[in-house]
Amino acid sequence: NAGVTQTPKFQVLKTGQSMTLQCAQDMNHNSMYWYRQDPGMGLRLIYYSASEGTTDKGEVPNGYNVSRLNKREFSLRLESAAPSQTSVYFCASSPGTGNGNQPQHFGDGTRLSIL
Amino acid sequence: LAKTTQPISMDSYEGQEVNITCSHNNIATNDYITWYQQFPSQGPRFIIQGYKTKVTNEVASLFIPADRKSSTLSLPRVSLSDTAVYYCLVGDIGLTDSWGKLQFGAGTQVVVTP
Repeated sequence: NAGVTQTPKFQVLKTGQSMTLQCAQDMNHNSMYWYRQDPGMGLRLIYYSASEGTTDKGEVPNGYNVSRLNKREFSLRLESAAPSQTSVYFCASSPGTGNGNQPQHFGDGTRLSIL
Repeated sequence: LAKTTQPISMDSYEGQEVNITCSHNNIATNDYITWYQQFPSQGPRFIIQGYKTKVTNEVASLFIPADRKSSTLSLPRVSLSDTAVYYCLVGDIGLTDSWGKLQFGAGTQVVVTP
């Protein structure tokens, strides 16, 4: 009953370091998403993958890259971390079958601090 | 993409019914209305989704008037554990190119007190 699993749960980086956030889902969903959430704000979409093998930019893609490794896994990479990227990062997935019922299932987040 | 407007915060007492109204004046014909709940230190959780009239599940009810320009999430007899942020989203979730465009606003912070 894992759903969406994110690793790590917490991370502290220094400015300029690189890091990859991992996300895996076990629901056989086609679509996966990466969001960031800053204090007191809603979620903002960074990148999404509508299906295995495709990725697209969301609202705030600058400074990030993603890889849809396979149907289960969608990773988010920070090549050169900046303090402005301090945030809570959420991964989500949805069935993506085009049947009109597409609720997203979220992981519990990765809390990332960049000093 | 339909923009949504909802109150920033609402306070309630245990046992009361809480109604959160979301305005979406430019909702499109194919758009669905979806509500999520988020507790501190957790990801959002899907609550309910609807297209028109009324939808009810074990957690909440969603009322959508005929013109669909607003919707109301109703939480019956709230408890302390219903304290959370509630998000209203509107979009055509049946289209591939819309999946990445659903936007979470700041949501409504609901605080339930004894």
